[in-house]
Amino acid sequence: GQQVQQSPASLVLQEGENAELQCNFSTSLNSMQWFYQRPEGSLVSLFYNPSGTKQSGRLTSTTVIKERRSSLHISSSQITDSGTYLCAMELSGSFNKLTFGAGTRLAVCP
Amino acid sequence: EAGVTQSPRYAVLQEGQAVSFWCDPISGHDTLYWYQQPRDQGPQLLVYFRDEAVIDNSQLPSDRFSAVRPKGTNSTLKIQSAKQGDTATYLCASSLWVNYAEQFFGPGTRLTVL
Repeated sequence: GQQVQQSPASLVLQEGENAELQCNFSTSLNSMQWFYQRPEGSLVSLFYNPSGTKQSGRLTSTTVIKERRSSLHISSSQITDSGTYLCAMELSGSFNKLTFGAGTRLAVCP
Repeated sequence: EAGVTQSPRYAVLQEGQAVSFWCDPISGHDTLYWYQQPRDQGPQLLVYFRDEAVIDNSQLPSDRFSAVRPKGTNSTLKIQSAKQGDTATYLCASSLWVNYAEQFFGPGTRLTVL
């Protein structure tokens, strides 16, 4: 089965609303990253977060290793937040190999 | 500091044609990765190198795909006899060879096979 599951698959927000994106993994992991993928395809690293909580501006990432989950919270969404959010795990036993989720496609409307 | 660079940014081929993608990693990064990302899916690792050595190419379709990194810096991914199923974005990333390494991605090459 799929080792990394992201939810929701897609999400539509009104500008100013908050969002919570989830990533769950079925096996133990060494580390994880959250990425934003621009509409033209380039990947931007948002957080590199082995465990705990990190914040950058309106974005907050929380990873709980023993519960095998990570979340990305977007507060006060803006139209420019539209795009795809991907989580990726380095699974235990797979040195430096990232396994990606399928992504959450976010659209923020005025 | 320059990021990961890739070329070309776009490629359109007929089935059966060959194509090469080029990647220049971040200076000082000894580990280089090639990913394939079909539409509406997450990236999937094809192959990765430490310096010039292939560490894992188990997901590389070896009959038509090949990847090299001869001097441990730039890398080339080649598809011989492309198929429509190869239509995807090809992403290159680099990192240091350390535990829990953060990977940095290039802009990708969007390939369409007609």
